Amino acid sequence: QKEVEQDPGPLSVPEGAIVSLNCTYSNSAFQYFMWYRQYSRKGPELLMYTYSSGNKEDGRFTAQVDKSSKYISLFIRDSQPSDSATYLCAMSNQAGTALIFGKGTTLSVSS
Amino acid sequence: DAGITQSPRHKVTETGTPVTLRCHQTENHRYMYWYRQDPGHGLRLIHYSYGVKDTDKGEVSDGYSVSRSKTEDFLLTLESATSSQTSVYFCAISDRAHTDTQYFGPGTRLTVL
Repeated sequence: QKEVEQDPGPLSVPEGAIVSLNCTYSNSAFQYFMWYRQYSRKGPELLMYTYSSGNKEDGRFTAQVDKSSKYISLFIRDSQPSDSATYLCAMSNQAGTALIFGKGTTLSVSS
Repeated sequence: DAGITQSPRHKVTETGTPVTLRCHQTENHRYMYWYRQDPGHGLRLIHYSYGVKDTDKGEVSDGYSVSRSKTEDFLLTLESATSSQTSVYFCAISDRAHTDTQYFGPGTRLTVL
């Protein structure tokens, strides 16, 4: 079992839809959880950063961490065509030995 | 791209030739990383540096070496390139540990024929 599992998609939604992106993980020591967005032929950029459990909201984006289920989610409200990208989850443990990435989910938002 | 440049941006080379990729940062961040990104595998850490002349291996370090002689530069060398090293290579930087926000460069697309 891979440490971090992420459905690669692709996921296609109409403009204005609510999008849910998810990752599961197996290492209970993970404490730091991140979501990166990567546009085609560009480097990833940090979207959301969460420490431990709970929710974090930033504009149209909400990150949720459920450590009991080893499950993290990114919700995008009122999705826009500009949200079309690949979304990567990433996580690390307290010791910070390495950042482990999911394979990414490709999202397409049509107008 | 947070003051990170990578060179070259594209390279085509032949099997068996040495290749060096360069990452340059203007942020004075302590940590620098080299990742490769492949379909079906996502981003995987090759090597990282936590200071000048201080480096360590990542998940997929075989066939790669790195050097960091200055804070701003981190070099990735493929001593003898193989077709399995065809990939997109990303450099990243962070101010503190791996758990700190990592800022990525624009990537280098390497093709080994």
